Amino acid sequence: GQQVMQIPQYQHVQEGEDFTTYCNSSTTLSNIQWYKQRPGGHPVFLIQLVKSGEVKKQKRLTFQFGEAKKNSSLHITATQTTDVGTYFCAGNFGNEKLTFGTGTRLTIIP
Amino acid sequence: EAQVTQNPRYLITVTGKKLTVTCSQNMNHEYMSWYRQDPGLGLRQIYYSMNVEVTDKGDVPEGYKVSRKEKRNFPLILESPSPNQTSLYFCASSLRETQYFGPGTRLLVL
Repeated sequence: GQQVMQIPQYQHVQEGEDFTTYCNSSTTLSNIQWYKQRPGGHPVFLIQLVKSGEVKKQKRLTFQFGEAKKNSSLHITATQTTDVGTYFCAGNFGNEKLTFGTGTRLTIIP
Repeated sequence: EAQVTQNPRYLITVTGKKLTVTCSQNMNHEYMSWYRQDPGLGLRQIYYSMNVEVTDKGDVPEGYKVSRKEKRNFPLILESPSPNQTSLYFCASSLRETQYFGPGTRLLVL
């Protein structure tokens, strides 16, 4: 079936360090979305990428969509304690279903 | 306030006792969806609905039913719950790409 793999599963960083999570699909995606879920909370939409090679920035967050539209990454520069949570990618394969990655749980060491 | 509401937020039940989790949105969104979240598995889509009277299976529909008689409501029905349906359930709605998630329903089936 169509799957979206996400790594790493966990990431512990010192406050101020950078963080990156990666998503990979074996088949081409129509688009990919990114969500953040705070501990005990619900997923919150961050962004959608549609075009091949697309790069979008939101303050310290940089989102990339691969040229082949099979992979994507989220990079956070100079992490802060407010960045704590689990980051999910969610791929759309051209139908109306969203397939989520397993998430990367980010913890920050102050 | 634009929101997605779910009820109940917490539920403990026994095997075989039918239950319904309600979901309602006040944003006039056409697309609604149900997910379950389990540790290490991320979010998996159960069912989704493109509009009133239009529903389709997600990745894990077995043991669940849904209905979409009104645009704002999308209840999730477990006709005969089993322990493997113990999970955290999220309802979501969207107009275009942005999905808005409800606060979640934590279900324990004994």
